[in-house]
Amino acid sequence: DVVLTQTPSTLSATIGQSVSISCRSSQSLLDSAGNTYLYWYLQRPGQSPQLLIYLVSNLGSGVPNRFSGSGSGTDFTLKISGVEAEDLGVYYCMQATHAPLTFGSGTKLEIK
Amino acid sequence: QVTLKESGPGILQPSHTLSLTCSFSGFSLSTYGMGVSWIRQPSGKGLEWLASIWWNGNTYNNPSLKSRLTVSKDTSNNQAFLKVTSVDTADTATYYCAHTNWEHWFAYWGQGTLVTVSS
Repeated sequence: DVVLTQTPSTLSATIGQSVSISCRSSQSLLDSAGNTYLYWYLQRPGQSPQLLIYLVSNLGSGVPNRFSGSGSGTDFTLKISGVEAEDLGVYYCMQATHAPLTFGSGTKLEIK
Repeated sequence: QVTLKESGPGILQPSHTLSLTCSFSGFSLSTYGMGVSWIRQPSGKGLEWLASIWWNGNTYNNPSLKSRLTVSKDTSNNQAFLKVTSVDTADTATYYCAHTNWEHWFAYWGQGTLVTVSS
């Protein structure tokens, strides 16, 4: 199975600060058709996860543009440009290139 | 507007079969490219993909659960189902269903249903 390693596991930020979360894959997530199935989700406390980023860098519906995704191959990054209070929660990366689909272990964002 | 809602037994005994229903609206599982997936999350832990079923009836299961999983659908009633056989305490988790297509995996999620396996 593909292992996704997220760092850091915990992140503490002040309002307005920019932060980044890394997701590294044990295998390349580029498929033979040239697609990279790497996704980012946010799970706020007590809520279901929500899709933030799809196919590495595309913003999900209704997601603020302070969120951005980048990367290729095995290294991916989620950036929040100007953290807001509502951004607290656990961030997960997920890959759908290789079966079975797998998630990273999560990065908890705390607001100072 | 896409919505999904899971329903299940709440609590069941070890070795029994878990049956979950996902009732959804805003899309059809008879439409090309549409799918419903099941994901679970033990309390305080991470997410685990379990299975997906597609508009054409194709299903994909996580091999980590071996042959314990069965997914099915009722297209006319906008429902998808998950069965997990021979449950034990390790299957205690919140179970989610999520809208899926090839580009937007898990774009919409249900609220989740907590399943506790206990004697």
